[in-house]
Amino acid sequence: GNSVTQMEGPVTLSEEAFLTINCTYTATGYPSLFWYVQYPGEGLQLLLKATKADDKGSNKGFEATYRKETTSFHLEKGSVQVSDSAVYFCALKTSGGSYIPTFGRGTSLIVHP
Amino acid sequence: DAGVIQSPRHEVTEMGQEVTLRCKPISGHDYLFWYRQTMMRGLELLIYFNNNVPIDDSGMPEDRFSAKMPNASFSTLKIQPSEPRDSAVYFCASSYGLAGGVDTQYFGPGTRLTVL
Repeated sequence: GNSVTQMEGPVTLSEEAFLTINCTYTATGYPSLFWYVQYPGEGLQLLLKATKADDKGSNKGFEATYRKETTSFHLEKGSVQVSDSAVYFCALKTSGGSYIPTFGRGTSLIVHP
Repeated sequence: DAGVIQSPRHEVTEMGQEVTLRCKPISGHDYLFWYRQTMMRGLELLIYFNNNVPIDDSGMPEDRFSAKMPNASFSTLKIQPSEPRDSAVYFCASSYGLAGGVDTQYFGPGTRLTVL
């Protein structure tokens, strides 16, 4: 079956530090990959996505590259801000089998001034 | 569009009481999902609907939970009777269905349920 594994949190950084949140997956077929972000007290919202191997999704300074050879979709940002403090969820969807996205457990990011 | 609307935003009730959570999806979306989020279990899919029809309710924890979608613009999740272990944040999400399945999901703000 499909599964998503994210690094355990919380990840604690100082403002302007470099961010990496690891995500690896197991999937049947050819998945689309997503990163969602959940700000405190809110629902999840799409941050970025990639639909095929070697695609790079980007938004709000965040990037993630779909690496089929390592089955990974790591989230990166060059310089984090306090406002980036949130929980980040990696997810995948395959067109074969289950048509519904599978989510990881989420990784909490805390950015200090 | 106002996005996915959920009500109430907060609910505090006593064990044994009936609880009804409500959701209005984004107009035109044909998939609706109910999730539960807790610290222990993370985000769990409870049930989802396609064109108002329940497709998979295997995530519903037990018979105390039920969900309905009487029309394309409204869904309810009911817990009867409620128990303290049901305390969680419940999210509703909606999406368009594509040929390859569901694409981006749009989440509501959630209902924080506390059962005393």
